[in-house]
Amino acid sequence: DAGVIQSPRHEVTEMGQEVTLRCKPISGHNSLFWYRQTMMRGLELLIYFNNNVPIDDSGMPEDRFSAKMPNASFSTLKIQPSEPRDSAVYFCASTRLAGPGGETQYFGPGTRLLVL
Amino acid sequence: TQLLEQSPQFLSIQEGENLTVYCNSSSVFSSLQWYRQEPGEGPVLLVTVVTGGEVKKLKRLTFQFGDARKDSSLHITAAQPGDTGLYLCAGDRSNYQLIWGAGTKLIIKP
Repeated sequence: DAGVIQSPRHEVTEMGQEVTLRCKPISGHNSLFWYRQTMMRGLELLIYFNNNVPIDDSGMPEDRFSAKMPNASFSTLKIQPSEPRDSAVYFCASTRLAGPGGETQYFGPGTRLLVL
Repeated sequence: TQLLEQSPQFLSIQEGENLTVYCNSSSVFSSLQWYRQEPGEGPVLLVTVVTGGEVKKLKRLTFQFGDARKDSSLHITAAQPGDTGLYLCAGDRSNYQLIWGAGTKLIIKP
């Protein structure tokens, strides 16, 4: 099994530019999570999809952030325009969630984003 | 407000020593998970504890879930440099979302 795949692994961009992060969840998993991790705030949930439908996006910092999941095997997190305070490691995680109740979340390797 | 408090935040000890990491909350969880994260990688699940008072062992790592299912501990015996990493606890409140602790950064010096 390939695990959760994220791209790019590293992204350096200038303030104001659009950034698109990509995620391919594990095949057969029906739930996908986008997280942001920083030293100051730890691991923060940004948005959660179940069966490709956004269920909770209350963690999305502001309108500059958007996420889509057009099908079961692909999701994107977009930041437009990017700001230096968006610099962080962004993780995608997937799980086979049958219903309410925690299951193991499988994390991708993350995208390390630096906005100059 | 951190719903799951982890302590200590940082721990640096010599190889061979024992240590305990704590994960505390005022909330009840249906289960609690422990993850380890190594530099440049995502967190990886170590164990899930479900029953109050449950103890699980993973080689030199011992995990315990409090009787009231509000807290948990991770004890490492004879720590090794390979144990170095960020240890995260995450509580499940029977919905889709895990509540994450801030993590304990552990360094084991040879």
